[in-house]
Amino acid sequence: AQSVAQPEDQVNVAEGNPLTVKCTYSVSGNPYLFWYVQYPNRGLQFLLKYITGDNLVKGSYGFEAEFNKSQTSFHLKKPSALVSDSALYFCAVRSLYNTDKLIFGTGTRLQVFP
Amino acid sequence: NAGVTQTPKFRVLKTGQSMTLLCAQDMNHEYMYWYRQDPGMGLRLIHYSVGEGTTAKGEVPDGYNVSRLKKQNFLLGLESAAPSQTSVYFCASSRFQQAGDTEAFFGQGTRLTVV
Repeated sequence: AQSVAQPEDQVNVAEGNPLTVKCTYSVSGNPYLFWYVQYPNRGLQFLLKYITGDNLVKGSYGFEAEFNKSQTSFHLKKPSALVSDSALYFCAVRSLYNTDKLIFGTGTRLQVFP
Repeated sequence: NAGVTQTPKFRVLKTGQSMTLLCAQDMNHEYMYWYRQDPGMGLRLIHYSVGEGTTAKGEVPDGYNVSRLKKQNFLLGLESAAPSQTSVYFCASSRFQQAGDTEAFFGQGTRLTVV
């Protein structure tokens, strides 16, 4: 079965500092990995995805994520956090063997302090 | 370009009442999903559909039914609402993917309270 773990309920970081939001996954076969962001009272917005190729993928708003197959991880990163990055972040996975289901993690709340 | 539209945005139900949530997408997507979002639980997949006339169970299907009579619409039904179904419901859609690499587009959500 597919599953996603986001071990941190909340991440706090000062504006201008680098940020990392962690995600690990479990699937059969190759994974397709996604990051989404949710602002208050809004739906989820797509940030970036890993399908194949370069392990470092770049997405919207200066975010990037690093795929690590040996550690089954797909951590979200940004070199310099902004207060406006404060939101709820979700990692999601599809399996090559079951591409119909898109399974999400429990979410990590990012709080960026001025 | 509306994208994914959910109706209604808010609803309060009494225990035992029934209701239907409507999701409509104008992107000609084949895949559609219903999720519920609860604090500390993230998004959990209720039901999904890979095309018109087809539906399948997700992670938490009990107490819900769905129908996909038209490609652009995906309906979520609660036959007899329970307080445990108080949640925020999200609909999403994505285009057909042979490799699973397409992202999903989400609606704005429906906040349902069952009293």
